[in-house]
Amino acid sequence: DAKTTQPNSMESNEEEPVHLPCNHSTISGTDYIHWYRQLPSQGPEYVIHGLTSNVNNRMASLAIAEDRKSSTLILHRATLRDAAVYYCILRGGGGSNYKLTFGKGTLLTVNP
Amino acid sequence: KAGVTQTPRYLIKTRGQQVTLSCSPISGHRSVSWYQQTPGQGLQFLFEYFSETQRNKGNFPGRFSGRQFSNSRSEMNVSTLELGDSALYLCASRDRGDGTDTQYFGPGTRLTVL
Repeated sequence: DAKTTQPNSMESNEEEPVHLPCNHSTISGTDYIHWYRQLPSQGPEYVIHGLTSNVNNRMASLAIAEDRKSSTLILHRATLRDAAVYYCILRGGGGSNYKLTFGKGTLLTVNP
Repeated sequence: KAGVTQTPRYLIKTRGQQVTLSCSPISGHRSVSWYQQTPGQGLQFLFEYFSETQRNKGNFPGRFSGRQFSNSRSEMNVSTLELGDSALYLCASRDRGDGTDTQYFGPGTRLTVL
């Protein structure tokens, strides 16, 4: 599986934007970029995913570099409830060979 | 729709025993995956079931097994428990036909092996 590299931790202030980076230099042409987050004492939660184009949903935006070797998850206005571990995952294959390979993720701390 | 449910939420066993964990996926989801989460190794994929068949398997010993029933509910079994099996076991379901590959995780079962 292709690897991703994320900072171990980041800190933000409430109501400010947060940009969480992810490097995936060995990404293949068919790999989707997925982001999940895990709040304390909960299972991971889907945030967003994309292939080549930037994506927006109600939770966040995903900016994908033109060469696809990196991406950035953008939380437009961080809240205390966004404090979590954020995982950037490359999801390849499909059908019967689906699995998520989690790295260490980025621990996001949001200060009031 | 109700989310993914896992039972029990907490479990304490001793070395050598076996344990069975249960997972009920979101209604309509036929794919169920299992993950193990530990502080040292993080989240690791165990296996995925779809239509009662194991479709993919992670790098775990044969002591870890699972099955899926016709109603898509899944069970995971760990035999001959070891101290290192203490972990949070997470179940996730997905709708393979919705085109998003989104996995929905349950709250997990916290297993402690003494």
